[in-house]
Amino acid sequence: EPEVTQTPSHQVTQMGQEVILRCVPISNHLYFYWYRQILGQKVEFLVSFYNNEISEKSEIFDDQFSVERPDGSNFTLKIRSTKLEDSAMYFCASKRTGVEKLFFGSGTQLSVL
Amino acid sequence: KQEVTQIPAALSVPEGENLVLNCSFTDSAIYNLQWFRQDPGKGLTSLLLIQSSQREQTSGRLNASLDKSSGRSTLYIAASQPGDSATYLCAGGGSGGSNYKLTFGKGTLLTVNP
Repeated sequence: EPEVTQTPSHQVTQMGQEVILRCVPISNHLYFYWYRQILGQKVEFLVSFYNNEISEKSEIFDDQFSVERPDGSNFTLKIRSTKLEDSAMYFCASKRTGVEKLFFGSGTQLSVL
Repeated sequence: KQEVTQIPAALSVPEGENLVLNCSFTDSAIYNLQWFRQDPGKGLTSLLLIQSSQREQTSGRLNASLDKSSGRSTLYIAASQPGDSATYLCAGGGSGGSNYKLTFGKGTLLTVNP
């Protein structure tokens, strides 16, 4: 079965550094998302992306965050200057159409020291 | 703003028991409702998706229902097995149309004892 692939599985960085989290959504999917889950808390929406532009973003997704789909397969989340509170599991997700279910990757555990 | 609550937070049952997990949401203008399974340190696996016009969906031993008027959904697991042990999350799809965002509950941690 096709799956959403995320790399790396773990990322450790120093506060203030830039990180890029990478995702390869399922190939015929059109809608792309980033969610995150801080340890012990709910999964939270960050941003949705469709037709090569951001559709919606949450309050968390401030100017330090950006997303890009540089080619036909990759979808990236960049955090420009990481903070301690950015430590979380980041999930990429995609779906083919508006009415179909969302498929999640296995996540990137980001630790900011 | 949509809020999703799941009870109980944790549930432990013996193998073979039928069980129900509950989910409630505050905004009835929901696009759909999705149930996920999350294993420790892993991603989310979609189990069932119920569109707002539907009342229930079934997949194998799983049955999910949706009652928009009362703001509730249930996930019924029949003849539970140790392999069902995981955290079960419900998530409501917003009313923003096809590109909706999901609002998640905190989950129910299910342990099925052999």
